[in-house]
Amino acid sequence: EAGVTQFPSHSVIEKGQTVTLRCDPISGHDNLYWYRRVMGKEIKFLLHFVKESKQDESGMPNNRFLAERTGGTYSTLKVQPAELEDSGVYFCASSQDSPTWLAGIETQYFGPGTRLLVL
Amino acid sequence: LAKTTQPISMDSYEGQEVNITCSHNNIATNDYITWYQQFPSQGPRFIIQGYKTKVTNEVASLFIPADRKSSTLSLPRVSLSDTAVYYCLVGDIMDSSYKLIFGSGTRLLVRP
Repeated sequence: EAGVTQFPSHSVIEKGQTVTLRCDPISGHDNLYWYRRVMGKEIKFLLHFVKESKQDESGMPNNRFLAERTGGTYSTLKVQPAELEDSGVYFCASSQDSPTWLAGIETQYFGPGTRLLVL
Repeated sequence: LAKTTQPISMDSYEGQEVNITCSHNNIATNDYITWYQQFPSQGPRFIIQGYKTKVTNEVASLFIPADRKSSTLSLPRVSLSDTAVYYCLVGDIMDSSYKLIFGSGTRLLVRP
């Protein structure tokens, strides 16, 4: 079974440009999460999709970030315009079932990340 | 939100047992404790999860005391390939969104 894949693996852009990151979750996983780690900081949650719907986007830093998940399959995260502080590693994760504490917590499977450098 | 505290780094030697303890004093009743492992240039990888007492799988054991204010990840007979960052996470479930809250993790270095 293929794991979570992310594209591109690396991206170097100039300040003000646009970058689109893509995440393909494990087939059949309804839940898709985006996280990121900026330089020297901890991994932070960005948002959570359940199928094509945004369940929680409380971690999105500002309106320069736009996430979509068309058809409930792959997801894209667009940064427009990119700023220097957006540099970091962007991780995508997916899980199968919706979490409820009665059912326990579904494991989240992470992709390898996209390393973004904004110059 | 439950905040976790764990050692910044640990050193060990091949073949030893490694125990990494995590404090989570404000853990909520419905929070699970989960440990992830991360190698350089890779995403975090699930190791083990528990709610109370002891949980064991093919990779590790997780010990959780009755008050659940701490947990200990035990790695038996570590090898060089176990060198990684280990994250202790406590779940925050709000409106069916389980966002993982990562701390700084523990950098484990296994020496020959």
